[in-house]
Amino acid sequence: DIQLTQSPSFLSASVGDRVTITCRASQDISNYLAWYQQKPGKVPKLLIFAASTLESGVPSRFSGSGSGTEFTLTISSLQPEDFATYFCQHLNGFPRTFGQGTKVDIK
Amino acid sequence: QVQLVQSGGGVVQPGGSLRLSCAASGFTFRNYGMDWFRQAPGKGLEWVAFIRYNASNKYYADSVRGRFTISRDNSKSMLYLQMNSLTSEDTAVYYCAKDYDWGSSDYWGQGTLVTVSS
Repeated sequence: DIQLTQSPSFLSASVGDRVTITCRASQDISNYLAWYQQKPGKVPKLLIFAASTLESGVPSRFSGSGSGTEFTLTISSLQPEDFATYFCQHLNGFPRTFGQGTKVDIK
Repeated sequence: QVQLVQSGGGVVQPGGSLRLSCAASGFTFRNYGMDWFRQAPGKGLEWVAFIRYNASNKYYADSVRGRFTISRDNSKSMLYLQMNSLTSEDTAVYYCAKDYDWGSSDYWGQGTLVTVSS
């Protein structure tokens, strides 16, 4: 099975900061990666699929990049509503595993 | 608008069974694959199972294979997850979700809590 490792697991940042989260796959998954945002007690929200395609309605401050085994989610200027946990998920076959998550907290 | 409305959660004893349901509306259900996910209290997301649009293929996480069965009724726009031989490790909020581009999930149900406890 493909394993996904996110780093960091926890990130403390301020409004306006540029934030980067990394997701590493245990084997080549091409561009088959999605990113989700989840706020406490809420349903996960799709942000990005195909590694870099922004889902409709998602603010342009979010961007994704990478292919193969290394991927990044970048928030160019952190906003108050962005404090949440972020998960990557591989879509290159089954099981469709998730990374362990990165919690972005207020500094 | 797309809606996925879940039902069927609750408290069950270890070794027991439960069936979750997910009622879909607002899209052509029969054209889309569907997933089940779960999230244990305070933990991350776990993919549980997937079923193709026509039920021709079903896939399961190792942790549930042989105990859980995903199914669908396209005539009723319903998705199901039959869960047998439940253990405390299965305690979680369970989500159904609609498949989207590249296999991502764009719409999610509201989640339903399954608690396995004696």
